[in-house]
Amino acid sequence: DAGITQSPRHKVTETGTPVTLRCHQTENHRYMYWYRQDPGHGLRLIHYSYGVKDTDKGEVSDGYSVSRSKTEDFLLTLESATSSQTSVYFCAISESLTGGLVASKSTDTQYFGPGTRLTVL
Amino acid sequence: AQKVTQAQTEISVVEKEDVTLDCVYETRDTTYYLFWYKQPPSGELVFLIRRNSFDEQNEISGRYSWNFQKSTSSFNFTITASQVVDSAVYFCALSEAKRSGFGNEKLTFGTGTRLTIIP
Repeated sequence: DAGITQSPRHKVTETGTPVTLRCHQTENHRYMYWYRQDPGHGLRLIHYSYGVKDTDKGEVSDGYSVSRSKTEDFLLTLESATSSQTSVYFCAISESLTGGLVASKSTDTQYFGPGTRLTVL
Repeated sequence: AQKVTQAQTEISVVEKEDVTLDCVYETRDTTYYLFWYKQPPSGELVFLIRRNSFDEQNEISGRYSWNFQKSTSSFNFTITASQVVDSAVYFCALSEAKRSGFGNEKLTFGTGTRLTIIP
């Protein structure tokens, strides 16, 4: 158990409304990620964070923003939700290496939260 | 660009049969990591294994085994004596190792293989 929770777990909203999903971790991991899972696409990276206030875009970042004001929380915001953003959203964490190219088995692996099912009508 | 291909969309086998899930990857990096995750019907993603590109040694964990072959860019997963609890969607994923040593930043996932074990 990597100590990751996501809230809410389920949400139904209407097109055009703002939505914020929260990822919370209890183990002080440096890296946090947001993915979306859609049929036929596997999981795709939306945004990630490599520290407080340090974030970067992933493969499918359009229409999403993120914030990380403290280590334990990584927020994903849909400023104006669209039906194409109906998906299951997963948060993940990993610990960074502090030197060298080869990690031990216990680091550098992404562990996932339980997911949030978002429906935009 | 990195790419992971899981050509088998769905597989069904009868319980106790062996089954192999294929994963083929593309990357220009010489240093990278490969992963398998399991997603049971309950929906969570469970980490199964991580392999780095320097280590081609095959691994066995109970009924699970993994065959990593750089020559064919494949990282296949075999379940021996399958059980109903093995029914899930299995994802193969790839990440590059950052030259700075500061971990991976992006996982590229395959589209998954849905495995159904028939009792």
